Amino acid sequence: EVQLVESGGGLVKPGGSLRLSCAASGFIFSNAWMSWVRQAPGKGLEWIGRIKTITDGGTTDYAAPVKGRFTISRDDSKNTVDLQMNSLKTEDTAVFYCTTITWRSEIDYWGQGTLVTVAS
Amino acid sequence: QSVLTQPPSVSAAPGQKVTISCSGSSSNIGNNYVSWYQHLPGTAPKLLNYDNNKRPSGIPDRFSASKSGTSATLGITGLQTGDEADYYCGTWDSSLSTGVFGGGTKLTVL
Repeated sequence: EVQLVESGGGLVKPGGSLRLSCAASGFIFSNAWMSWVRQAPGKGLEWIGRIKTITDGGTTDYAAPVKGRFTISRDDSKNTVDLQMNSLKTEDTAVFYCTTITWRSEIDYWGQGTLVTVAS
Repeated sequence: QSVLTQPPSVSAAPGQKVTISCSGSSSNIGNNYVSWYQHLPGTAPKLLNYDNNKRPSGIPDRFSASKSGTSATLGITGLQTGDEADYYCGTWDSSLSTGVFGGGTKLTVL
């Protein structure tokens, strides 16, 4: 069974940093492209970014609102994917989901999400 | 403002059929694969349909999808109260080089 478990959410002040981690199991992690998606309170889903497999170059893509502030990384030895968030803004407040994503860009598995609140 | 446009809400009676539209452009829907998601509040979203009309294991054939040009449609037949949820379309945008979602459609089963 595929499991994605996010951790690291919490309350952070504007301008601060936070690192989310996602522990994956139930599939061959090194073969999977991974992504992060968020949902702000009362809003829809928002695609944040993805990281390809090392075999496919390990490259990353980011949505415009987070580019330059957020960084996705992976550790295939630990089956984890992280989201480093810097220069956080109040509008980054959201539930953040760790997901697997295919080359066609469909998101086939989702974690339960972790809440990040950016407030003073 | 989402890159993909969905109606904010749709409604229909139990047993009836409903369709949810998703409108985009040649840089996204027109030249990429479309997927659909069901999101019940407090739970993780679920993939309903992908590669323009394939269903993951366990998703009933009441959920079907189609694509024509720069628009896509999700159809749900035999509506059940348990289908009440938010539905999202998603795809890749080749101009933005990012994934994109529609704004979501809230389905009410009256």
